[in-house]
Amino acid sequence: DTAVSQTPKYLVTQMGNDKSIKCEQNLGHDTMYWYKQDSKKFLKIMFSYNNKELIINETVPNRFSPKSPDKAHLNLHINSLELGDSAVYFCASSQGSRVQETQYFGPGTRLLVL
Amino acid sequence: GIQVEQSPPDLILQEGANSTLRCNFSDSVNNLQWFHQNPWGQLINLFYIPSGTKQNGRLSATTVATERYSLLYISSSQTTDSGVYFCAVSTGANSKLTFGKGITLSVRP
Repeated sequence: DTAVSQTPKYLVTQMGNDKSIKCEQNLGHDTMYWYKQDSKKFLKIMFSYNNKELIINETVPNRFSPKSPDKAHLNLHINSLELGDSAVYFCASSQGSRVQETQYFGPGTRLLVL
Repeated sequence: GIQVEQSPPDLILQEGANSTLRCNFSDSVNNLQWFHQNPWGQLINLFYIPSGTKQNGRLSATTVATERYSLLYISSSQTTDSGVYFCAVSTGANSKLTFGKGITLSVRP
């Protein structure tokens, strides 16, 4: 009965490869997010979707492309991976897109680019 | 953008001790949440508290929005409280959360 799940949990790949991370939530929430946590544990939002519509798009290289096939799923595709992309990527969800919402996080995907 | 500062950056406690973690923010907020990231990396939402006081077991939080700070109290700390505590705030019309750098708590048996 996992609320927010991500696959894979670990991803080790070579520079220049393309990879995808998948996220699913079974909470019935309308809004989903991608966050990046760097090696110093700093968390920063990347994207947010509400009912499959992009509502937050921070300054992220265009090698990163989110896709939301339905409101329960939000995937992150990364092209031409670079060393600096190594981080933990968290998916989160909230009931709506209003500010007064609690966000629930997935377990994270640990990406290591060699 | 809004600045979020948490203090102290690191905290070491003996099991059973109490502690107070602080979050200062530079602008008015309409959302403030406290998270605990356990040693396995999982982020757990502790409180949604843009103002006022809430309690949940040994944890409680108070946000004084007019003075732009929030406090997280941990009483009778346990080793399982170890990890990183994040404060995150939102100021705009959307749900974008800006996180502080976190407070690393180590509770020793």
